[in-house]
Amino acid sequence: GEEVAQTPKHLVRGEGQKAKLYCAPIKGHSYVFWYQQVLKNEFKFLISFQNENVFDETGMPKERFSAKCLPNSPCSLEIQATKLEDSAVYFCASSKSKSQPQHFGDGTRLSIL
Amino acid sequence: DQQVKQNSPSLSVQEGRISILNCDYTNSMFDYFLWYKKYPAEGPTFLISISSIKDKNEDGRFTVFLNKSAKHLSLHIVPSQPGDSAVYFCAAVGTDSWGKLQFGAGTQVVVTP
Repeated sequence: GEEVAQTPKHLVRGEGQKAKLYCAPIKGHSYVFWYQQVLKNEFKFLISFQNENVFDETGMPKERFSAKCLPNSPCSLEIQATKLEDSAVYFCASSKSKSQPQHFGDGTRLSIL
Repeated sequence: DQQVKQNSPSLSVQEGRISILNCDYTNSMFDYFLWYKKYPAEGPTFLISISSIKDKNEDGRFTVFLNKSAKHLSLHIVPSQPGDSAVYFCAAVGTDSWGKLQFGAGTQVVVTP
């Protein structure tokens, strides 16, 4: 597609439950990125992929967070045993190449109760 | 440690006048800079970018200026229009951390009639 598509728009989970977020990058884009926006305007990088390979995962809290980009499937970000502090908007972005800007989806708002 | 800073949380400008948004950075490894515009409940939309080998880039009503020695960039919007009312984010990426966008805290722009 012509836009980065993120689903669901809003996800509510009880503390301790699992949460899974999905992202379909723009068709033809080889790079996918995940960001977490906790405070209203603060973006934190989580992980990036080049096709199905992890490119940079230095921002990932490794204990409970995992992510995948498999061929012919949307990319996913999964959080096990969610905590209240995981409540945030999670944005996915994609880019065509290293020299091209990242284009963002509209995000998934994750609410942990 | 905030490596990209937008020190003005808000800016009010009259329709038709120029909007000037500022951004400072501390990391000398940054070599690519971007401006994004964000409406509530939407993802950031790419506006314009500049490579560190340039000092100016122009696209329609948007011009970005880069002063490497001062580690400062600015976005000029002229003329400002009501639809420009949004939060504007400055972002940077470096040769040592490709793809990992570092965002500023954003500037809320309000264009008044």
